[in-house]
Amino acid sequence: QSALTQPASVSGSPGQSITISCTGTSSDVGGYNYVSWYQQHPGKAPKLMIYEVSNRPSGVPDRFSGSKSGNTASLTISGLQAEDEADYYCSSYTSSSPCLFGGGTKLTVL
Amino acid sequence: QVQLQESGPGLVKPSQTLSLTCTVSGGSISSGGYYWSWIRQHPGKGLEWIGYIYYSGSTYYNPSLKSRVTISVDTSKNQFSLKLSSVTAADTAVYYCARLGEGYYYLDYWGQGTLVTVSS
Repeated sequence: QSALTQPASVSGSPGQSITISCTGTSSDVGGYNYVSWYQQHPGKAPKLMIYEVSNRPSGVPDRFSGSKSGNTASLTISGLQAEDEADYYCSSYTSSSPCLFGGGTKLTVL
Repeated sequence: QVQLQESGPGLVKPSQTLSLTCTVSGGSISSGGYYWSWIRQHPGKGLEWIGYIYYSGSTYYNPSLKSRVTISVDTSKNQFSLKLSSVTAADTAVYYCARLGEGYYYLDYWGQGTLVTVSS
C-alpha cells in the first residue's frame, strides 16, 4: 500500500500561516475520520499534534488545526514560531490497515 | 502518564533475527483498549508501521513485513516484543514502540526509539 502523499517541504516566516496537505484515497483519508498528524524534531520521537482530523490533544497549542476535504487532509499552523520547525507526518486508518503514514513534510521557519 | 521504553541490541548481523522489547509504565497492557505497536524509520526517511498486538495476543502486521515479523506480549512484565527475522541492511532503522487507540487509531504515546544497525 502506497504512503499518503505529502509535499516534501514547506516554509514560512515567523507569524505567518502554513498548510501541509496529505492526499490519499477513498479507502483511507476520504473514507474515515481517523486522520492524525505528528510532529518530529530531529533525533526525537514523533509527537501527536492532531487526531481524528481536527482534534488537538491537551497541551498542543491552538495554533495547530486540522481539516479534511474529500481525499485530502490538511494541517494548518498559524502564527508560525521558530520551534515549529520540524518534520510533520500524517497518518490514516485504511480499509486494509489500521495505520498508513504519509511520506513526511519538512517545515522550515525562515 | 504512560511511558514506553525500547530495549535491545543496537547491532544485528545480516540473516539473523532482530529482537526488541518495549516496557510500558504508567499503565497496564492487560487493561485493554489499546493496540501496542511497532513503527520504524529508516535513516533520513519517513515512518513505517510494522504491526501491533492486543493484550489478548491478537496481532496485525504490515503485509510487506508479515512473513518476517512476530510481535508478542508478556502482560506479567507489562512488555511487548518485536522479532524480525532474516534481516538485511535494509532493516537498519530507528525502531519505535507506541500505543495505538482501539477504535480511534492514533498513536498517542511513543517510546524514544532505538537505532538498530544491521551489519556484519
